Amino acid sequence: EEQVLESGGALVQPGGSLKLSCTPSGFTFNNFGMSWVRQAPGKGLEWVSTISASGGSTKYADSVKGRFSIFRDNSKNTLSLQMSSLRANDTAVYFCARRNRAQKTGGYYMDVWGKGTTVSVSS
Amino acid sequence: EIVMTQSPATLSVSPGERATLSCRASQSINSDLAWYQQKPGQPPRLLIYGASTRATGIPARFSGSGSGTEFSLTISSLQSEDFAMYYCQQYNQWPPETFGGGTKVEIK
Repeated sequence: EEQVLESGGALVQPGGSLKLSCTPSGFTFNNFGMSWVRQAPGKGLEWVSTISASGGSTKYADSVKGRFSIFRDNSKNTLSLQMSSLRANDTAVYFCARRNRAQKTGGYYMDVWGKGTTVSVSS
Repeated sequence: EIVMTQSPATLSVSPGERATLSCRASQSINSDLAWYQQKPGQPPRLLIYGASTRATGIPARFSGSGSGTEFSLTISSLQSEDFAMYYCQQYNQWPPETFGGGTKVEIK
């Protein structure tokens, strides 16, 4: 079964840093781009960041640009999200998701999602 | 940034009835649209991609249609397990990839 599992969520003070990890299983990790999506308490889904299969291309939401960094180690089958200068409005469940390519249009949708890891930013 | 607007915010439906959810994009996204189902305390589950292609293991009662700026998700006969939150998401022009605000399908 194709799965991803997030870890690393914690309670952190404003201005602090945290690193989230995502571990895949059941598929060839280095064949797929990966994304982080977050969901604040009681709110909808917000795309955070995406990294290509090779790790050579990264994209970020404006809300996290300059503070978050996405990277991957294909040799260790690990995706990470390094978060710094954390704010109260970064409080959310962070989901890791696999990106898959739609054959007809070439666009990428997210087809395998983890259960999420909770980040709380509070003093 | 492409804005995705879902309607209605809440849809009250009786089991066995048909439900139709709408999603509108602020500009054309061709067919680069996905639908997700989310239940409380669970991650999103991919239902539809490419506007109309069911993901692996998704029952045939779920169908998607539309292209350009107007899209819909239809659940032909609601089962108890279908009462949940539904989100649309465009992946045509990014960053950012944008989600709609969601439609809650509740029991009438």
